[in-house]
Amino acid sequence: QKEVEQNSGPLSVPEGAIASLNCTYSDRGSQSFFWYRQYSGKSPELIMFIYSNGDKEDGRFTAQLNKASQYVSLLIRDSQPSDSATYLCAVSQGTGTASKLTFGTGTRLQVTL
Amino acid sequence: EAGVTQSPTHLIKTRGQQATLRCSPISGHTSVYWYQQALGLGLQFLLWYDEGEERNRGNFPPRFSGRQFPNYSSELNVNALELEDSALYLCASSLPLTNTGELFFGEGSRLTVL
Repeated sequence: QKEVEQNSGPLSVPEGAIASLNCTYSDRGSQSFFWYRQYSGKSPELIMFIYSNGDKEDGRFTAQLNKASQYVSLLIRDSQPSDSATYLCAVSQGTGTASKLTFGTGTRLQVTL
Repeated sequence: EAGVTQSPTHLIKTRGQQATLRCSPISGHTSVYWYQQALGLGLQFLLWYDEGEERNRGNFPPRFSGRQFPNYSSELNVNALELEDSALYLCASSLPLTNTGELFFGEGSRLTVL
C-alpha cells in the first residue's frame, strides 16, 4: 500500500465547474497535509495546507480533512483553464515543519473550454 | 528576491559514473531538501539538511549522498549511476520550523543515465 494515494487522472472538468481532487494516506500519525500544484515542466508550488479536521477555504480553493477516514481533498470552484496542472497531495508527521513530506503521485487536472 | 537555484539544468552520464547536483536555497532559508521525481513515481524524499547537518534520509541506497555548506547551499552526489537513476532531481528550501511547512522548489536538474 502506498503511503499517499491519488488517482492519476486525468480529471477533466468544464470551465466554471467544481473540480474535486482526492487523496488518502496510510499513516494515522500524520499531522500536516498539503496540496501542491505542478504545471508541466515546472516545479511544485504550495496551494494550501491544513492541520485540523474540517474545511479550510482560500479563495476558489477549499481543502477538506477527515483524519478518521485518513482522507484529504481539494475542491477548486469556478475552474479555469489556468488550473490545468498536476495536483500533488503531501503529508507530514510533524506540525510546523516539513522535515519529511511524503508526496502522492499526483492527479492531472484538465479544465476544458 | 532570488528563488531556489539548481545546477546543472540537464546532465547526461553513463552507467557507473558519478553525478553532482548543486542547489542554492532562498536567502535566509537554512533547510534544504532533495527529492527525486521519476516518471510515474511522484516525488520521492531523498535527504534533508539543516544547519549543515543531515536531519533525515529517505529510503535510498548509500550511493546517494550529499552535504550542506556553511552558506546553506547543498550538493547531491550520486555514485555508481544506474539507469533507473534517470529522473528530475528537485531541491527545495524552507525556513526551519516554518509555520506552514511550505517548501520552495527549484526548477530541478534532469539527470539522464545512458
